[in-house]
Amino acid sequence: KQEVTQIPAALSVPEGENLVLNCSFTDSAIYNLQWFRQDPGKGLTSLLLIQSSQREQTSGRLNASLDKSSGRSTLYIAASQPGDSATYLCAVKETSGSRLTFGEGTQLTVNP
Amino acid sequence: NAGVTQTPKFRILKIGQSMTLQCTQDMNHNYMYWYRQDPGMGLKLIYYSVGAGITDKGEVPNGYNVSRSTTEDFPLRLELAAPSQTSVYFCASSQTSGAQETQYFGPGTRLLVL
Repeated sequence: KQEVTQIPAALSVPEGENLVLNCSFTDSAIYNLQWFRQDPGKGLTSLLLIQSSQREQTSGRLNASLDKSSGRSTLYIAASQPGDSATYLCAVKETSGSRLTFGEGTQLTVNP
Repeated sequence: NAGVTQTPKFRILKIGQSMTLQCTQDMNHNYMYWYRQDPGMGLKLIYYSVGAGITDKGEVPNGYNVSRSTTEDFPLRLELAAPSQTSVYFCASSQTSGAQETQYFGPGTRLLVL
């Protein structure tokens, strides 16, 4: 059974700092890995999607990497801003079926 | 496009009551999903549908039922509400289920069972 773990559970940083969020998964047979952002009281918004054949994806100040062999992904946020404060969820899509398996999330607070 | 819409936003149920959580998408997506998210936890798949008339169980289907009579709508039914069903429920949709598929989420329904 696929299990996804995110470390740390919570992170508080000063504005302007570069930071890394970690995600690990137990079964390397995945279709893709996604990073989502969740704001309080709202749904999830997809940030980046990395296919199993890819190593990384970038969007603006965000960069996500994927290492299937070690079962790890990182989300790098450059020059963090208070507007980046949210919960970040990692999810893997398994090779068979339509299921996404989610991690528990990292709650990020960026202080002005 | 409104995307994925869910109603109601919040509901309190008494134990044993029933209710239907509504979900509608206007993107003509084939795939639709229901998840639940417990406090401090990730999302768990309850049911999903690959098209009108086709539904299948996810990881935690017990206590729930779904139907998919149209492409747009995917209601989730709770027949006998239990405290363990207190959670936030998210509906999502996607066009495909391939390696590049991205799921689009609704704002969620917060359910409290007392």
